[in-house]
Amino acid sequence: ILNVEQSPQSLHVQEGDSTNFTCSFPSSNFYALHWYRWETAKSPEALFVMTLNGDEKKKGRISATLNTKEGYSYLYIKGSQPEDSATYLCASPAGGTSYGKLTFGQGTILTVHP
Amino acid sequence: GAVVSQHPSRVICKSGTSVKIECRSLDFQATTMFWYRQFPKKSLMLMATSNEGSKATYEQGVEKDKFLINHASLTLSTLTVTSAHPEDSSFYICSAPDRPGQAFFGQGTRLTVV
Repeated sequence: ILNVEQSPQSLHVQEGDSTNFTCSFPSSNFYALHWYRWETAKSPEALFVMTLNGDEKKKGRISATLNTKEGYSYLYIKGSQPEDSATYLCASPAGGTSYGKLTFGQGTILTVHP
Repeated sequence: GAVVSQHPSRVICKSGTSVKIECRSLDFQATTMFWYRQFPKKSLMLMATSNEGSKATYEQGVEKDKFLINHASLTLSTLTVTSAHPEDSSFYICSAPDRPGQAFFGQGTRLTVV
């Protein structure tokens, strides 16, 4: 069974703050790590798919790093804005395959206060 | 990115009735789709893999007679919750990969059984 854990469960920050949260996963039989951003009443939006140890990816003010040897990924948001408020999910393919069958963490609920 | 549409977004039904949820890939063909369920304050849990033209593959503990899955075309998978009971009330969401390593999600369906 693949266990994907996220922390913290929720986070409140002020507009302009930078923040980060963690996703941990088993380091053995690793294939990929996905990050999603999920706003209420919308579809989860894919942010990053990370595969290589040491990977660092960036999309605007959001970036992510990956350490497959120790089994964690960090998601960073620089200069948080209220529109960044969402649930951030990480997921890893079950069974070490790439094809869409994902095991999810519980998510981190981010609230950015104006 | 690719678009996956899920309908309905909310449904309330009486105990004992059946409810059908549709998941459509709008701009790509999906031979495989995935159905997830989310319990309150828990992560998305994979229920089953929907395979076009063949039987669905269910995860351990998911009743196949309760959750009927049909994937009759390359763009449509349906999940029917049969003889629904209050404990089936949950959030259900589908995903479809348009290529290996990338999954796109529907908007989800909030089912309430009264």
